[in-house]
Amino acid sequence: NAGVTQTPKFQVLKTGQSMTLQCAQDMNHNSMYWYRQDPGMGLRLIYYSASEGTTDKGEVPNGYNVSRLNKREFSLRLESAAPSQTSVYFCASLGVVTDLYGYTFGSGTRLTVV
Amino acid sequence: TQLLEQSPQFLSIQEGENLTVYCNSSSVFSSLQWYRQEPGEGPVLLVTVVTGGEVKKLKRLTFQFGDARKDSSLHITAAQPGDTGLYLCAGLNYGGSQGNLIFGKGTKLSVKP
Repeated sequence: NAGVTQTPKFQVLKTGQSMTLQCAQDMNHNSMYWYRQDPGMGLRLIYYSASEGTTDKGEVPNGYNVSRLNKREFSLRLESAAPSQTSVYFCASLGVVTDLYGYTFGSGTRLTVV
Repeated sequence: TQLLEQSPQFLSIQEGENLTVYCNSSSVFSSLQWYRQEPGEGPVLLVTVVTGGEVKKLKRLTFQFGDARKDSSLHITAAQPGDTGLYLCAGLNYGGSQGNLIFGKGTKLSVKP
């Protein structure tokens, strides 16, 4: 099925560890996004990539880096995880899917930093 | 900073009741989208409204974009347990960075059988 695939689904890290969240879309969309979702805070944009080869900071970029590897893949890296980065992370792409123009989200990565 | 305020935050109703969820801002948006998110999943796009005053219907769901493009509402008729979820509105800025949506914090709807 067409969509956005995120891995892993769950992850527990110790403070100071690093990890990369993977995201791939097969809808040929140009723009891709990383959001985090926290209770009471809603969805907040971390980084985005308007097209292959470009990346830009969103609202909450500190502590994160991204790589737009190709048109399909957009990864999010935590270099030195902190408890404040405990959250649910969503990747999304922007484009037309079944006659609707908007975001298609992955199913999320639930990250706990202890 | 542009904000989208959603109300109510929480709504618990019985099956068969009608409800309206509101999404308000002091800013003008070029378009507004509504998403539904179920536990453990990502948000799923329901509709995009673009024209001020526009009304779109999706089965028992009716979406309206305010004339001034600052607000929107979602009305559900005869709610069913399957409508349970988090409803998010998201606005696209005029002249903003490509595709960057501003999300409201959501309305958590629970429909009891």
